[in-house]
Amino acid sequence: DQQVKQNSPSLSVQEGRISILNCDYTNSMFDYFLWYKKYPAEGPTFLISISSIKDKNEDGRFTVFLNKSAKHLSLHIVPSQPGDSAVYFCAASRVRNAGNMLTFGGGTRLMVKP
Amino acid sequence: ETGVTQSPTHLIKTRGQQVTLRCSSQSGHNTVSWYQQALGQGPQFIFQYYREEENGRGNFPPRFSGLQFPNYSSELNVNALELDDSALYLCASSPRGTSQETQYFGPGTRLLVL
Repeated sequence: DQQVKQNSPSLSVQEGRISILNCDYTNSMFDYFLWYKKYPAEGPTFLISISSIKDKNEDGRFTVFLNKSAKHLSLHIVPSQPGDSAVYFCAASRVRNAGNMLTFGGGTRLMVKP
Repeated sequence: ETGVTQSPTHLIKTRGQQVTLRCSSQSGHNTVSWYQQALGQGPQFIFQYYREEENGRGNFPPRFSGLQFPNYSSELNVNALELDDSALYLCASSPRGTSQETQYFGPGTRLLVL
């Protein structure tokens, strides 16, 4: 049972345009959502996060939107740059008796063309 | 402030052998989590340690075990290696292991089981 899904395995965008990466989840107990970027041969790098009590969080070129009723979040990158080309993972965590395990989606490969 | 480090970077083992992977947490972080990332998939939670105690475990068999030391560094041990254990193993640290907290990842150890 995949609780976090990224339905688009890849996305290609022209430099300067907007990139929109989507993520859906099924577990309503998730209360914190994160986006990570991963280059080959490196570990995931934290990009931006959002608490379930908010619907938007912005950091520079990156904005994350959360729609709790639809159990959907998205990452907007504006403007997209060639250096943004990487695999993007969304992840979710929830209140637990102990610990804060992250549940990841399968990733979306973003290619930004010059 | 040093980030999360892992060793070794690459490892080749044969089926049935045992392996130990190591991780040093980011300075000031007392929680460490381990994840397995198979090719083309998102990371999957193995377990988490908080102040030297296991603090949550994912759906992995007991042959996956771990330790956390007083300096908050950590080990992941895998016994009786199987071909399907071939993956990137990621370590992540966070300050306290609460749900609304970012985990920071190391570069990973790539394990190949032949």
